[in-house]
Amino acid sequence: AQSVSQHNHHVILSEAASLELGCNYSYGGTVNLFWYVQYPGQHLQLLLKYFSGDPLVKGIKGFEAEFIKSKFSFNLRKPSVQWSDTAEYFCAVNARGGFKTIFGAGTRLFVKA
Amino acid sequence: DAMVIQNPRYQVTQFGKPVTLSCSQTLNHNVMYWYQQKSSQAPKLLFHYYDKDFNNEADTPDNFQSRRPNTSFCFLDIRSPGLGDAAMYLCATSRESTGTDTQYFGPGTRLTVL
Repeated sequence: AQSVSQHNHHVILSEAASLELGCNYSYGGTVNLFWYVQYPGQHLQLLLKYFSGDPLVKGIKGFEAEFIKSKFSFNLRKPSVQWSDTAEYFCAVNARGGFKTIFGAGTRLFVKA
Repeated sequence: DAMVIQNPRYQVTQFGKPVTLSCSQTLNHNVMYWYQQKSSQAPKLLFHYYDKDFNNEADTPDNFQSRRPNTSFCFLDIRSPGLGDAAMYLCATSRESTGTDTQYFGPGTRLTVL
């Protein structure tokens, strides 16, 4: 069965620090990969997604993620975080051609001003 | 401006008392999903509709049912809520179910069971 593991449940950073949130999945076949974000008081929304092509994907608000197939990883990065990046971040995966998306448990990021 | 709307945002029910959560969408998407998210856990898919076709997850308890009377609306019925059903319930939509489609989420309904 597919599963998604997010390494850190809570991350605290100061503004301007670099961010990397880990995500690993278990599935032997071809996958589609997503990062969703939930800002305080708001609904889950897509940050970026990958399904083919360049394994380095750029999303909104300066975020990017790199798909490393050999490591079954899709880590999220941002060179310099802002206070407004405080949110919960969810990694998600589904099997190519399938619809069911498996989510990780989320990482809560708090950015200190 | 709202695309996926869930009502109510907070629902309190008593143990064993049926409850219905509602979801509506203005996106005209074919697919509607219901997820259950317990505290500090991943959202877990309960079922989804592709148009009128209902697809239940194998591990979704029989206590949970769903209805989709038209494209815009989808309901989650919990026939006899137990304490373990207290959770956030998320509704989401996508245009298709190819797997690459973005899901659009509502704000969720937080269910408390007394």
